[in-house]
Formats: sequence, C-alpha cells, structure tokens
Amino acid sequence: DAKTTQPNSMESNEEEPVHLPCNHSTISGTDYIHWYRQLPSQGPEYVIHGLTSNVNNRMASLAIAEDRKSSTLILHRATLRDAAVYYCILRGGTGNQFYFGTGTSLTVIP
Amino acid sequence: DVKVTQSSRYLVKRTGEKVFLECVQDMDHENMFWYRQDPGLGLRLIYFSYDVKMKEKGDIPEGYSVSREKKERFSLILESASTNQTSMYLCASSWLSPTNEKLFFGSGTQLSVL
Repeated sequence: DAKTTQPNSMESNEEEPVHLPCNHSTISGTDYIHWYRQLPSQGPEYVIHGLTSNVNNRMASLAIAEDRKSSTLILHRATLRDAAVYYCILRGGTGNQFYFGTGTSLTVIP
Repeated sequence: DVKVTQSSRYLVKRTGEKVFLECVQDMDHENMFWYRQDPGLGLRLIYFSYDVKMKEKGDIPEGYSVSREKKERFSLILESASTNQTSMYLCASSWLSPTNEKLFFGSGTQLSVL
C-alpha cells in the first residue's frame, strides 16, 4: 500500500507563501496525489489533486517532482483561516482506497 | 452542494453494546468509506464500499463490520463495543471515476465507549 510522510508541524507568517512537503517514495504509476485539509471540529475537505503535472486552483498549487516521489502543496498567501491539518494522500490500491498519513499541522502567525 | 450526513455528532455507549453509525450521501457516489481518527495516528481506513452490498477491508477492520444495502447509505457496526474503539469516526464518499474522485467527508461522530 502506498504511504506518505509529512512533517508533523509547520509555521507561517500571515500573508506569506507556505510550502508543505510530502514524500511518497513508493508511489505507483497510476496513483493520484491528493491534498486535503481539516479545520478544527470538521471533517477533511478537498484542496487539490494531480497525477504528473503541476496543478493550480483557487485554493492552492500542487508541485509534483519529476520522479513523482515527492510533492509540495503551495499556499500563495497564508491567512489565519488556513490554519489546519493538511493531509497528503495517495489514491491507489484495489478499489480506490485513499490512504491518509498523519498530516502537517499548519500554524499561521498574525 | 454535496452533503455527507452522519447520524450523530456525539455518541456515548457502554462496553459490550452493539453500536450502529450511519452515513448518508446525496450525490449518487459509488464509493463510500469509514475512517477513524485518533490523536497522533491521523485517519485510518476501516472499511470501504464501491457498490451496493460490496465491501472491502481497510487497514484496521478488526472489531468492525459494515453494511451497504442502498447506494446512498453506509453503516459501520461495532458488534461489541470496547473502550479502545473510543474515537472520532468519519464517513466519506466519492465518485468511482479516476478523473473525478474528490472525497467528501461528513462532520464526524465522536464515539465514547465507557
């Protein structure tokens, strides 16, 4: 089963960019890389996902290494509302499982 | 908006009780999932289902069973609740298609087994 590793915690100043790293060295060729975030007292919510190419949406950007063994979620300007636990996930295995790691707790400093 | 609804936000049960956690989604999703979330351990997959009456074990199925009799409803069953099953339980659903596969989560059920 494909797994991910992330730093336990990170800090960022408000309105500065944040780069959240994820390692997934056992990724297979058909695994999609997903990012979700979980605000306090809520279920996780989708942020972004990609396969090989870098992806952008209104929430964030996803940079995927050429060998696909790592990726980085980029929040262009952190706000206090971005304080959450960010999960890097691989969609793979049989039957479309989503395997979560332990996530990175992001603190945004005003 | 997609809605994944879990029947209870908080639940308190006694050791040995049979516990049912219900989850309903309104987007006709094929996939449904049950996770538990514990401090320091992140989210761990218990069971998932990709169709009615189909189920597959996740990472930690021991002590749990599931039921999917209708496409929109996925139930997690604790046959005989134990204190080590005290946890936050999260239900999720998604499309089966590989190009449109976001997970949508419910708000979670905090289960306490005394």
